[in-house]
This record gives sequence, C-alpha cells and structure tokens, in this order.
Amino acid sequence: DSGVTQTPKHLITATGQRVTLRCSPRSGDLSVYWYQQSLDQGLQFLIQYYNGEERAKGNILERFSAQQFPDLHSELNLSSLELGDSALYFCASSPNPGAPQGVSREQYFGPGTRLTVT
Amino acid sequence: AQSVAQPEDQVNVAEGNPLTVKCTYSVSGNPYLFWYVQYPNRGLQFLLKYITGDNLVKGSYGFEAEFNKSQTSFHLKKPSALVSDSALYFCAVRDVWRTTGFQKLVFGTGTRLLVSP
Repeated sequence: DSGVTQTPKHLITATGQRVTLRCSPRSGDLSVYWYQQSLDQGLQFLIQYYNGEERAKGNILERFSAQQFPDLHSELNLSSLELGDSALYFCASSPNPGAPQGVSREQYFGPGTRLTVT
Repeated sequence: AQSVAQPEDQVNVAEGNPLTVKCTYSVSGNPYLFWYVQYPNRGLQFLLKYITGDNLVKGSYGFEAEFNKSQTSFHLKKPSALVSDSALYFCAVRDVWRTTGFQKLVFGTGTRLLVSP
C-alpha cells in the first residue's frame, strides 16, 4: 500500500458528461501528480500541483482541469467526455519536488480510477 | 526532451530462470532513472532508482538494475524469476522544468513479463 488513495475505483459514464476523480496523497507529501494510462497513449503525465498551486502541465486537454485543496487532496475534473477519454487515471504524490538539484524523489502511485465512457 | 524506450512488449521466462527487462534512455545531462511495476488492478509500485554512484542498483522484491552509460541502458534484472513477478514493468526518467525545477516522470511504453511455472 503506497499510502495514496483514489476514489472511485471505477466510473462508468456517458459521452458529454462530467466526472470528478479524487486523490489523497501520502501523509506529508505536498506534491500531487495526475497521469492517464490508455492503450494507445501509454502512461502520460497530465498535471502537477504543489501545496495548492499548479506547477506543471503535460498533455492535458482543455476539457480537463484539476485543483489541490488546503488539506492537500486533489481533484481531477473531466468534462464533455468522449469515448477516447476512457482510461485508467492515476494520482501520485511525492515529497517536496523542488528539492535541491541532484535530489530526485520517486513518486508513489495510487491504485487508479478506471473511467469508462460509453 | 528526456525519454526512455522499452524495446520489448513482452518477455517470457520460466520460473527459476534469470530475467531481464530492457530499457534504454535518451537524456541531456545526468540521467535519473526509475523502474516501476504494475500488477493487475493495482497502481504502479516503485521498485528502484538510479541517481548516481554504483552502476548496480538493488531494489524491492529481489530486483536489481544495471546502469550502463556507454550503452545508455538501464536494464531490470532478477536472478531467479517467480510466477508472482508476472506484471507490467515500466522504466521512467526524470524530466525537470528548467524554469521551476519541478519534476515529472516520463515513462516507457511498458513491458509485460510473463513467468511460467
């Protein structure tokens, strides 16, 4: 058990709908990352938050957004869903990622939320 | 941009035999490399990392990885495979945003390891 929790485990919804995925990082970790894992795109970085602020963006669609709350949990919002958004969405956390150069912190992943868009 | 490549979609090995899962990297600067494993219906689990120092890195569950700078490789190895090692393995490299210093992981496409009894 990594200490990162994600809810729900599974989500089935229709095209055009909006869903919210939730993530609680490991105790003490300030940074949260969101990844999407799909068959055709592999594992892709979406977005990162650190202590409530967005710090980095990857291949995240404009229909997707995220936020990190004062208690450090994070939510990923997916709207106007399309069939191609069906994927496994992972959240990961790590200690302060802005640590001095040369210090590389591994990320700890949650179990993921499997989203199926029908 | 930093990247890693996993040339094999699948590796098959018999239980008790040594296993190798291959990874090559392309980075500017010093590489910071990771291996993760994904079991069915589970998240990714950290196995090991290479930052600097010894070229042979030991990790969880008896796995180790060999860093080879001349071949730009970071292959995952285990001396004796178990059926329970069957899973999806990902190699990853750290990528750093120059403006902020914040990091992300760039993953390979994954290699499915099947260990037969």
